[in-house]
Amino acid sequence: GENVEQHPSTLSVQEGDSAVIKCTYSDSASNYFPWYKQELGKGPQLIIDIRSNVGEKKDQRIAVTLNKTAKHFSLHITETQPEDSAVYFCAASWSNYQLIWGAGTKLIIKP
Amino acid sequence: DTAVSQTPKYLVTQMGNDKSIKCEQNLGHDTMYWYKQDSKKFLKIMFSYNNKELIINETVPNRFSPKSPDKAHLNLHINSLELGDSAVYFCASSQALGESGYTFGSGTRLTVV
Repeated sequence: GENVEQHPSTLSVQEGDSAVIKCTYSDSASNYFPWYKQELGKGPQLIIDIRSNVGEKKDQRIAVTLNKTAKHFSLHITETQPEDSAVYFCAASWSNYQLIWGAGTKLIIKP
Repeated sequence: DTAVSQTPKYLVTQMGNDKSIKCEQNLGHDTMYWYKQDSKKFLKIMFSYNNKELIINETVPNRFSPKSPDKAHLNLHINSLELGDSAVYFCASSQALGESGYTFGSGTRLTVV
């Protein structure tokens, strides 16, 4: 079945630097790739998503890139701020199938 | 204005008890889900409910059962609670089963003592 691997499990970066989280998926039929941010004590919140017909998508300081050939996609956060500290999850799905989730990355922003 | 609301937020109960967690969404979504998040933060799908079709994760014990009185509600009933059931349970909804973002509730922290 479909599998999504997410790396690293923990990422610590200096405030103002960039952070990159990578995910790989196994099923080439996957065509929808969302990213979620989970703050302490809250539910995961969708922050950005990308579909397989697009290679890159940006929203202010966050961006997602997709390499369909290599079957991996990445989340990029630039100019990191303390409020970016959270657990980030990637996921993948295709038509009429539920999301398959990565294991999560704990992002720590050092002041 | 809460999009997906679940109650209670905290639930502490003894082993062997039966408990329920309620979930309601006002987004008009067609699909609802229950997830279990353990201490390592891994999100495990338990159930998805789409157009009266229930999809069950085969690893979920039959002590867990979802109940959907209508499209906007998906409650979770748990019988004979065990220590290992302690976790945070999240309700979520989406417009469709695939290719759409999920909106999560704020979670219910269940502690079995």
